[in-house]
Amino acid sequence: DSGVTQTPKHLITATGQRVTLRCSPRSGDLSVYWYQQSLDQGLQFLIQYYNGEERAKGNILERFSAQQFPDLHSELNLSSLELGDSALYFCASSVEGQGITSTDTQYFGPGTRLTVL
Amino acid sequence: GQNIDQPTEMTATEGAIVQINCTYQTSGFNGLFWYQQHAGEAPTFLSYNVLDGLEEKGRFSSFLSRSKGYSYLLLKELQMKDSASYLCAVRDRTGANNLFFGTGTRLTVIP
Repeated sequence: DSGVTQTPKHLITATGQRVTLRCSPRSGDLSVYWYQQSLDQGLQFLIQYYNGEERAKGNILERFSAQQFPDLHSELNLSSLELGDSALYFCASSVEGQGITSTDTQYFGPGTRLTVL
Repeated sequence: GQNIDQPTEMTATEGAIVQINCTYQTSGFNGLFWYQQHAGEAPTFLSYNVLDGLEEKGRFSSFLSRSKGYSYLLLKELQMKDSASYLCAVRDRTGANNLFFGTGTRLTVIP
């Protein structure tokens, strides 16, 4: 158990709908990262938040957005869902997320499996 | 940008040793990580290298050569539970110090 929690574990929805995925980082971690992993694909970095502020953006679609709240939990919002959005969505957290400490390690949550029908 | 290359699949025998290679090209190298991922589960951290050389952690070791853009993960005394994907990830200063993952190597351990 990494200490990172994600809810829900599974989500089944229809095309065109909107969903929200939730992540709580490990105690003491300030950075949260979101990744998408499609079938047989590598982990694709979506976005990073550090202490409530967006720090880096990866291959995140405009239909997707995220935020990090004062208690450091984060939510990923996916809207106008398409069949191709079906994937595992992972959240990870790390202590500082700025590369200041070279050993800063990301620990992953169990993921949310999203199925769009 | 970042380019990370790993073999797609490998097979090895229980009790044996296997080496999984990773080559990378990145403009602001700031560390290399190995993760293990069982199908449908979260990646779990295995090892980290930022300086050249070998880091040993029980049955797992990881090696880095920065001048060659090369790393390997060495798994000894293979067990059936080691069947998983092994992900190589590079931290890049020019990419906001985020991790960039290879597509992973799927290792199958056979009896």
